[in-house]
Amino acid sequence: DQQVKQNSPSLSVQEGRISILNCDYTNSMFDYFLWYKKYPAEGPTFLISISSIKDKNEDGRFTVFLNKSAKHLSLHIVPSQPGDSAVYFCAAHTGTASKLTFGTGTRLQVTL
Amino acid sequence: GAGVSQSPSNKVTEKGKDVELRCDPISGHTALYWYRQSLGQGLEFLIYFQGNSAPDKSGLPSDRFSAERTGGSVSTLTIQRTQQEDSAVYLCASSLGWGEQPQHFGDGTRLSIL
Repeated sequence: DQQVKQNSPSLSVQEGRISILNCDYTNSMFDYFLWYKKYPAEGPTFLISISSIKDKNEDGRFTVFLNKSAKHLSLHIVPSQPGDSAVYFCAAHTGTASKLTFGTGTRLQVTL
Repeated sequence: GAGVSQSPSNKVTEKGKDVELRCDPISGHTALYWYRQSLGQGLEFLIYFQGNSAPDKSGLPSDRFSAERTGGSVSTLTIQRTQQEDSAVYLCASSLGWGEQPQHFGDGTRLSIL
């Protein structure tokens, strides 16, 4: 039972353009969402998060949008840079458990 | 170092052998998590430690898996009688405390069972 879904396994974007990575969830108890970035042979690195009481959080080139009614969140990267090429994981958390539930990841490739 | 440290970085062993994986969390972090990532999959929660409380073992896939955390710091994940399906990257993470986010991850141990 995949409670967090990233339906696009890969995405290719030109440098300078916007990258949009999507994530859907099924558990309405999730109240906090995070995006992690992962390079090969390294652990995931925290990127940005959003609480369920907000619908947008911005940090530099990265913005996360949350649509609770649709149980959907997205990560926008603008402008995209070659160094952004990595696998991006969406993760969710409930207030009653400390563990994170992860999606299967989206591989982003930013081309020159 | 300042981050979560895991060892070994790679482990190759024969089916049926026992393995121990080690995690040294960030100093001052009381919460410690183990996850694993199988090929093409997302991270799967295994076990969680918080201070001196009983661990949350709800993600352990079988009784061949166990973990301990000594002195509230270093943790060891043990897999007994390894099977080929245990092949994965085992990731450790730590955070400031219960429910505190984000979790900070180590680089993982890549376990290969022959």
